[in-house]
Amino acid sequence: GENVEQHPSTLSVQEGDSAVIKCTYSDSASNYFPWYKQELGKRPQLIIDIRSNVGEKKDQRIAVTLNKTAKHFSLHITETQPEDSAVYFCAATRGGQGGKLIFGQGTELSVKP
Amino acid sequence: KAGVTQTPRYLIKTRGQQVTLSCSPISGHRSVSWYQQTPGQGLQFLFEYFSETQRNKGNFPGRFSGRQFSNSRSEMNVSTLELGDSALYLCASSLGQGWDNEQFFGPGTRLTVL
Repeated sequence: GENVEQHPSTLSVQEGDSAVIKCTYSDSASNYFPWYKQELGKRPQLIIDIRSNVGEKKDQRIAVTLNKTAKHFSLHITETQPEDSAVYFCAATRGGQGGKLIFGQGTELSVKP
Repeated sequence: KAGVTQTPRYLIKTRGQQVTLSCSPISGHRSVSWYQQTPGQGLQFLFEYFSETQRNKGNFPGRFSGRQFSNSRSEMNVSTLELGDSALYLCASSLGQGWDNEQFFGPGTRLTVL
């Protein structure tokens, strides 16, 4: 069945450093890849997404890259700040109707001041 | 616009009981999906409803069921509760029919089964 693997499960960086989280998906028909941030005790919120017709997308300090051939996609956060500390989830879906959103296991990012 | 709301926020039940959780989507959103979140398994898809029809279901036993009403509000039911059903249950709503629409999550219902 469809599966998304996410690494690392925990990541600790110093403020100002970059953080990279990687995901691999199994369903080659997947064409939409969102990333969600969940702060402690709060609901997940979409921070960035990418569609399969695009290789990279940036939004200020965050960027996502997609390698369809290798079925990999990654989240890059530059100039990390303490408020970036949260659990980040990647997800993949075929999009359209009848599909489902498959989430990775999550990465707990800790940014130390 | 008000966000996605879920009631109740916390529930404590005992094994064998059943429970009903409610989700009110953002006004105008017709798609509602449900997820189970646990520390060991992450976010797992339960089912998705659009216009009162279940369009997809995850790999959960038949004890987990749901429905959607004409006003897009959704409920999920878990019968014959087991200890392993303890989790945070999240619902999410989206505007369009496809999965490539942003999912807006509710605050969740924390279910504890004793």
